Amino acid sequence: DQQVKQNSPSLSVQEGRISILNCDYTNSMFDYFLWYKKYPAEGPTFLISISSIKDKNEDGRFTVFLNKSAKHLSLHIVPSQPGDSAVYFCAVLSSGSARQLTFGSGTQLTVLP
Amino acid sequence: DSGVTQTPKHLITATGQRVTLRCSPRSGDLSVYWYQQSLDQGLQFLIQYYNGEERAKGNILERFSAQQFPDLHSELNLSSLELGDSALYFCASSVMGGTGSHEQYFGPGTRLTVT
Repeated sequence: DQQVKQNSPSLSVQEGRISILNCDYTNSMFDYFLWYKKYPAEGPTFLISISSIKDKNEDGRFTVFLNKSAKHLSLHIVPSQPGDSAVYFCAVLSSGSARQLTFGSGTQLTVLP
Repeated sequence: DSGVTQTPKHLITATGQRVTLRCSPRSGDLSVYWYQQSLDQGLQFLIQYYNGEERAKGNILERFSAQQFPDLHSELNLSSLELGDSALYFCASSVMGGTGSHEQYFGPGTRLTVT
């Protein structure tokens, strides 16, 4: 039973264009939604998050959108840069005292120069 | 650099053996989390400790155990190892185990290979 799904295993985008990464979840009992970036041989790096009470959060080139009615989360990167090439994981943070993250399967983003 | 350290970086061992993975959280973080990333399973939550006490359990096998020490570092013990235990094991830390910070910071991981 996958609570978090990233249906696109890979995405290629031209440098300077917008990258849109998508994530769907099946449960409403989450406090926060997060995006992590992962390079090979490194641990996931926190990128941006959004509270369940908001629908948009922006940090520089990165914007996360939350559509609670559709149970859908997206990450927009604009403009995309070659250094953004990595695996992107969405994650949801369970509510309550146990703050465990449940991750999606990841999307490999390749930004072409 | 996230501030979370993990040792060793790589570990190669045989089936049936036991290993211990070590994690030091970021300074000031009370909560430690362990995750397993295998090829076919993605990142899976194993267990969480908060200030020395177990807070939550995920998909952790009975052959695996963990603890958090008074200095807040944590160890993950894996015993009776099987080929399928080969994976990347990540430790993460956050400020609090309950309400509060929602961001978890990950270490570089330990790559375990069971032969």
